[in-house]
Amino acid sequence: GENVEQHPSTLSVQEGDSAVIKCTYSDSASNYFPWYKQELGKGPQLIIDIRSNVGEKKDQRIAVTLNKTAKHFSLHITETQPEDSAVYFCAASIGGSNYQLIWGAGTKLIIKP
Amino acid sequence: EAQVTQNPRYLITVTGKKLTVTCSQNMNHEYMSWYRQDPGLGLRQIYYSMNVEVTDKGDVPEGYKVSRKEKRNFPLILESPSPNQTSLYFCASSLSRVAGWENTDTQYFGPGTRLTVL
Repeated sequence: GENVEQHPSTLSVQEGDSAVIKCTYSDSASNYFPWYKQELGKGPQLIIDIRSNVGEKKDQRIAVTLNKTAKHFSLHITETQPEDSAVYFCAASIGGSNYQLIWGAGTKLIIKP
Repeated sequence: EAQVTQNPRYLITVTGKKLTVTCSQNMNHEYMSWYRQDPGLGLRQIYYSMNVEVTDKGDVPEGYKVSRKEKRNFPLILESPSPNQTSLYFCASSLSRVAGWENTDTQYFGPGTRLTVL
């Protein structure tokens, strides 16, 4: 079946440094790629998303890049802050549906003071 | 406040005892979904609903039932829970229709229900 691989499973960075999380998907028909952030004890929350007709999208310190040829997309967080500590999930749409998503296993991001 | 609510937040039960986890959203969203979250496996979809009286299976529907009699509510039913259904469950909703500038694809998640089946 279709799947999404996410790496690394844990990422520890010094406050102020950048963090990069990578995902690879298998469904060539996927056209929507959201990233969700899950803080301890809460449900996931959308932080940024990208569609297949765009190669890069940025929102302040967060950016997402998409390489359709290689079927991978990445989350970039610059100038990391303690509040960035959380679990991050990538997802890819199943075919043309934007509601049916396949999720990565998650990355625990730890920001060291 | 726009939100998705789930009840209960924590539940410990025994094998075979029927239970229902409620989910309600106040955003007039058409799409609702149930996920389970297990360590190392991310989120896996159990069931989803595109509208009232319309439900469909996700990736892991075995052992679960749902109903969508009203737009705002989407309860998850475990008729005969087993220990392998011990997990963290999330309900989510989405607008799922064209609505001008709003990102209709965003899924809004509830706070989660931690279920333990002994």
